[in-house]
Amino acid sequence: SQQGEEDPQALSIQEGENATMNCSYKTSINNLQWYRQNSGRGLVHLILIRSNEREKHSGRLRVTLDTSKKSSSLLITASRAADTASYFCATDRVQTGANNLFFGTGTRLTVIP
Amino acid sequence: ETGVTQSPTHLIKTRGQQVTLRCSSQSGHNTVSWYQQALGQGPQFIFQYYREEENGRGNFPPRFSGLQFPNYSSELNVNALELDDSALYLCASSWTGSGAEAFFGQGTRLTVV
Repeated sequence: SQQGEEDPQALSIQEGENATMNCSYKTSINNLQWYRQNSGRGLVHLILIRSNEREKHSGRLRVTLDTSKKSSSLLITASRAADTASYFCATDRVQTGANNLFFGTGTRLTVIP
Repeated sequence: ETGVTQSPTHLIKTRGQQVTLRCSSQSGHNTVSWYQQALGQGPQFIFQYYREEENGRGNFPPRFSGLQFPNYSSELNVNALELDDSALYLCASSWTGSGAEAFFGQGTRLTVV
């Protein structure tokens, strides 16, 4: 079973628009990470936010974390057709070994040129 | 390219058979984790190896087993294959410790018929 959930499950936007994806999780975490996956291939690490951080930026990516609500959001600004992919959040949980990542169900993003 | 290589890329096996999947870690990484990703789902944590010892295990039966070698490469073995074992199997290498970025291979697509 999945350890978290992303919503929406699917998102379709026009190139240039912003895309926001949300992630909820259930247990205490050390950190939360966002990954990208193209067409069932390997996962690419995008950004990591630690449990004591509230917001982090990397290029066109902005991630927020609310540990009281056990939720995170990923914002991709000025989207491009090349951003079309599935996006997953993954939690590094306090109770388990370091870097044993637990993934959500993913958001399938389609950016229309 | 992450420097993590997996072999083979595709594999077809018959129910009841055994399979071995291989992963070569990125140079310098001492931790390897394995994940199973069913179609349309997020990756699920199988287990992690650190210094040739299992260092955390997800909710998978004992017929899923692994090895890590002194050069930090790794194998995933699955005995008595079932149809539901059909999935993309992903290997990730990292340094040990929470927050270390995990680098994923491109995966092995296993089909059980």
